[in-house]
Amino acid sequence: QLQLQESGPGLVKPSETLSLTCTASGGSITSSSYYWGWIRQAPGNGLEWIGGIRYDGSIFNNPSFKSRISLSMDTSKNQFSLRLTSVTAADRGLYYCARHLLVGDIFDLWGQGIVVTVSS
Amino acid sequence: DIQMTQSPSSVSASVGDTVTITCRASEPITNWLAWYQQKPGKAPKLLIYPASTLRSGVPLRFSGSGSGRDFTLTISGLQPEDSATYHCQQAQTFPYTFGQGTKLEI
Repeated sequence: QLQLQESGPGLVKPSETLSLTCTASGGSITSSSYYWGWIRQAPGNGLEWIGGIRYDGSIFNNPSFKSRISLSMDTSKNQFSLRLTSVTAADRGLYYCARHLLVGDIFDLWGQGIVVTVSS
Repeated sequence: DIQMTQSPSSVSASVGDTVTITCRASEPITNWLAWYQQKPGKAPKLLIYPASTLRSGVPLRFSGSGSGRDFTLTISGLQPEDSATYHCQQAQTFPYTFGQGTKLEI
């Protein structure tokens, strides 16, 4: 059964770049039925969709992040990654990777999440 | 962006009770609404999509209803393991947006 696991530094300095990777195990991320995405949850806030990438490289991002987001995928490693530039304290929170089912635009499988702190 | 508003933000109930959580969209989303359950320290789990269709394996005490702008999640015969935060998400329009969550304490 497919599982997702986030990894990356839990502490990022303000104005620097946050880089997270999600590794899939027990299945492949090359299915055309899914995007592979990122969702975050700031303390005390609801969930916020960040963006998603498909195996063919097609990407769509939440416009609220403007040009700060970069998504990539390494199918040979069964991984996909998020880079968020120019982070501020508002970017702290719990970041999840998730499988985005194209039929329905819902998130049917999630990683356990990784806590990101923004501090100098 | 479509704003999703959940109420209440938190609720306390007893085993065996029935609880209803509401989710209102800022504009109509037909029935393209999902409900997720998030237990403490765990990832969200998809419960219902669209609006009233339970995902496989979800107990029948969970039910969803609504269309347009107003939706409800009802849990009948509450069990201790239902203690969690419940989130709604609209899948009508990009960017996909979530409610702020409803914390259910048993």
